[in-house]
Amino acid sequence: NAGVTQTPKFRILKIGQSMTLQCTQDMNHNYMYWYRQDPGMGLKLIYYSVGAGITDKGEVPNGYNVSRSTTEDFPLRLELAAPSQTSVYFCASSYSGGFSYNEQFFGPGTRLTVL
Amino acid sequence: AQKVTQAQTEISVVEKEDVTLDCVYETRDTTYYLFWYKQPPSGELVFLIRRNSFDEQNEISGRYSWNFQKSTSSFNFTITASQVVDSAVYFCALSEDKGGSEKLVFGKGMKLTVNP
Repeated sequence: NAGVTQTPKFRILKIGQSMTLQCTQDMNHNYMYWYRQDPGMGLKLIYYSVGAGITDKGEVPNGYNVSRSTTEDFPLRLELAAPSQTSVYFCASSYSGGFSYNEQFFGPGTRLTVL
Repeated sequence: AQKVTQAQTEISVVEKEDVTLDCVYETRDTTYYLFWYKQPPSGELVFLIRRNSFDEQNEISGRYSWNFQKSTSSFNFTITASQVVDSAVYFCALSEDKGGSEKLVFGKGMKLTVNP
């Protein structure tokens, strides 16, 4: 199993450009998440999905959009990039089976710089 | 609202020293989950341990041990006989059992440097 994979690993954008961060997991997890990590800070949840076709906002959703058409993929779209979106982006997935709670598995991250 | 506080921002120790990482949390829920994650210099996040709010049994796993105390809302993590490979940023995280969301709230992290 590859686990959670993210592409690209690094990207530099100009202000106003758009891009999509890709995330794929091969563990058949139903839950997927997008976080951003700013320097010296913990991770903050941007969006999450509890299954294909279902997404919801996290703590910091402004400036981002997501979709979940398949169990495996959960892309994050940045429209009109701004310097405030300079961050490291992590995708994660987990299996939720009712009352139990399982740990989240994280991808390697995408380092995005907006200039 | 949920909140996780890691008051220590950075600790530096010499190899073989014991080190304890503090975590204090806030939640109004009676059912919740606490986690520790490690982020080595390579950048990925690695799951270390999970505890639910009904399980206050402390545990030792090799060089790692955890102390969960609901009375003080603390979930501290101890590394015994630290090694250079333990150098990383450690995050404490909290999730409330909302029956379907299971969103994590992270502390700001604590950078541990273990010097040879």
